[in-house]
Amino acid sequence: AQSVTQLDSQVPVFEEAPVELRCNYSSSVSVYLFWYVQYPNQGLQLLLKYLSGSTLVKGINGFEAEFNKSQTSFHLRKPSVHISDTAEYFCAVSEGSGYSTLTFGKGTMLLVSP
Amino acid sequence: DVKVTQSSRYLVKRTGEKVFLECVQDMDHENMFWYRQDPGLGLRLIYFSYDVKMKEKGDIPEGYSVSREKKERFSLILESASTNQTSMYLCASSSGTGNSPLHFGNGTRLTVT
Repeated sequence: AQSVTQLDSQVPVFEEAPVELRCNYSSSVSVYLFWYVQYPNQGLQLLLKYLSGSTLVKGINGFEAEFNKSQTSFHLRKPSVHISDTAEYFCAVSEGSGYSTLTFGKGTMLLVSP
Repeated sequence: DVKVTQSSRYLVKRTGEKVFLECVQDMDHENMFWYRQDPGLGLRLIYFSYDVKMKEKGDIPEGYSVSREKKERFSLILESASTNQTSMYLCASSSGTGNSPLHFGNGTRLTVT
């Protein structure tokens, strides 16, 4: 079974600073990778996904992530954060063959302060 | 846009009660899921269904059951609620196989006293 590790439970950062949220997954032949964001009192919404092709994936709200197969990582980055990016971010993985459910990491709370 | 609607935003129930959490999606998705979300534990899959009347256990099915009589509706049932089932419950739906993203409802915060 897949597992997902988000190394930081909380990341505090100042507005307009760059940020990286880390995600590692257990190895598999092929995987699909996702980042979701949860704003306060809301459900999760998709930020971006990697299915195949280019290892650099761009998502909504200026976020991007890079798939690194050798390091089994899928870190999320944004060059300049806003107060409105304050939210919890979840990395998720599913196996790339047949039907597979998503396995989520425990989440990283991004706290952006002025 | 896909809409996943959970019938209650907040619920307070007593220990031992039978509890129904309802979820409806409007995009004809084959797959529906129930997760619970707890601080520090992320999302854990309770049950899922990939077709009407089909159900599969997730990672933490104990104490729960589900019902999917119609394609658009997926119900989570707590047969006899306990305090350790106090949590945020999230419903989601998707189409196709593992490369399809999930669409989530806004969650039901259940408190069992």
